[in-house]
Amino acid sequence: DGGITQSPKYLFRKEGQNVTLSCEQNLNHDAMYWYRQDPGQGLRLIYYSQIVNDFQKGDIAEGYSVSREKKESFPLTVTSAQKNPTAFYLCASSIATGGSSGNTIYFGEGSWLTVV
Amino acid sequence: RKEVEQDPGPFNVPEGATVAFNCTYSNSASQSFFWYRQDCRKEPKLLMSVYSSGNEDGRFTAQLNRASQYISLLIRDSKLSDSATYLCVVPYSSASKIIFGSGTRLSIRP
Repeated sequence: DGGITQSPKYLFRKEGQNVTLSCEQNLNHDAMYWYRQDPGQGLRLIYYSQIVNDFQKGDIAEGYSVSREKKESFPLTVTSAQKNPTAFYLCASSIATGGSSGNTIYFGEGSWLTVV
Repeated sequence: RKEVEQDPGPFNVPEGATVAFNCTYSNSASQSFFWYRQDCRKEPKLLMSVYSSGNEDGRFTAQLNRASQYISLLIRDSKLSDSATYLCVVPYSSASKIIFGSGTRLSIRP
């Protein structure tokens, strides 16, 4: 079945560690996104990518890094510079970015990151 | 003004009632809009898309008012299973990004 797979679903990070969240899609979508959601809050955009080997900072990119070496993969690294990383992280994809008509965005099941 | 703004709620209504909530947006160039539903601790899932004046799917109706720059979601004959957070989504073509509202919490009581 086509979809977006995120892993791990739950992850615990020690202070000062970098961790990488995986996101893979087999929908043949060009655009991919990472969002962060804090309890009771909306989604905030971390990074997005419109095409392979290109990505753009979102509203809260500090302390995060991404890569887009393959169309189907968009991993997110939460670095030690991110001071408050405990949150729900959602990866998403769409056929294209922005205001294209019919540009539905699809989500993975999310990854819960907790700093211990 | 926020790019996308929603009333956070919570809306607490009895089963069978009709409930409606709005979402305002600031970018007049936006052409398509979406409503997503998010259950607690789950990913958002597409509920409806709105490209012209409106869209209807069973008990759900989404309407677009371009002049006033808002979209609305109407739920008729609400069910207990409608309890969730409803997110308004507005793609911004000029910035090549998609903006989510902070969501409206809906709770249906028996």
